[in-house]
Amino acid sequence: KQEVTQIPAALSVPEGENLVLNCSFTDSAIYNLQWFRQDPGKGLTSLLLIQSSQREQTSGRLNASLDKSSGRSTLYIAASQPGDSATYLCAGGGGGATNKLIFGTGTLLAVQP
Amino acid sequence: KAGVTQTPRYLIKTRGQQVTLSCSPISGHRSVSWYQQTPGQGLQFLFEYFSETQRNKGNFPGRFSGRQFSNSRSEMNVSTLELGDSALYLCASSDDPPVGANVLTFGAGSRLTVL
Repeated sequence: KQEVTQIPAALSVPEGENLVLNCSFTDSAIYNLQWFRQDPGKGLTSLLLIQSSQREQTSGRLNASLDKSSGRSTLYIAASQPGDSATYLCAGGGGGATNKLIFGTGTLLAVQP
Repeated sequence: KAGVTQTPRYLIKTRGQQVTLSCSPISGHRSVSWYQQTPGQGLQFLFEYFSETQRNKGNFPGRFSGRQFSNSRSEMNVSTLELGDSALYLCASSDDPPVGANVLTFGAGSRLTVL
């Protein structure tokens, strides 16, 4: 059974710092990997999708990488801002005729002004 | 384009009652998935529908059911509510057939409280 762990569970940093969030899978046989952010009381916003054939994706100050051999993904946030404060979730897709995702436990990020 | 719309946003029920939640996907999206989010278990997959057919189902008891209509709108139903069913129920839609590589757009969720 696929389990996804995110480290750290919570993180507080001063504004402007670069930071890395980690995600690891017990079963490295994942097809793709998505990172989401969730603001309090709201739904999820997709940040980055790393397809099966890719190793990383970039969008603005965000960069996500995927190492299937080790079952690990990282989300790098450059020059953090208070508006980045949210819970960040990684989710793995197993491929096949389904969009089902297995979600990680989440990292609660607080960026202090 | 309007986003994924979930109704109601908040509701309170008592144990033993049943509840129906609705999800309207983004116009043109035919794939709809449902997830349950609780503090203890995190986000867990409930079901997935595509073109009115259930494509995948999570490990939940039979009290949880769903369906999708011809206009791609989806509903989920929970019968005989238990305290543990209190959760945020999230719906997500995608514009492609489920092929395991699509970006999902989530709604704001329906917050269910069971007393």
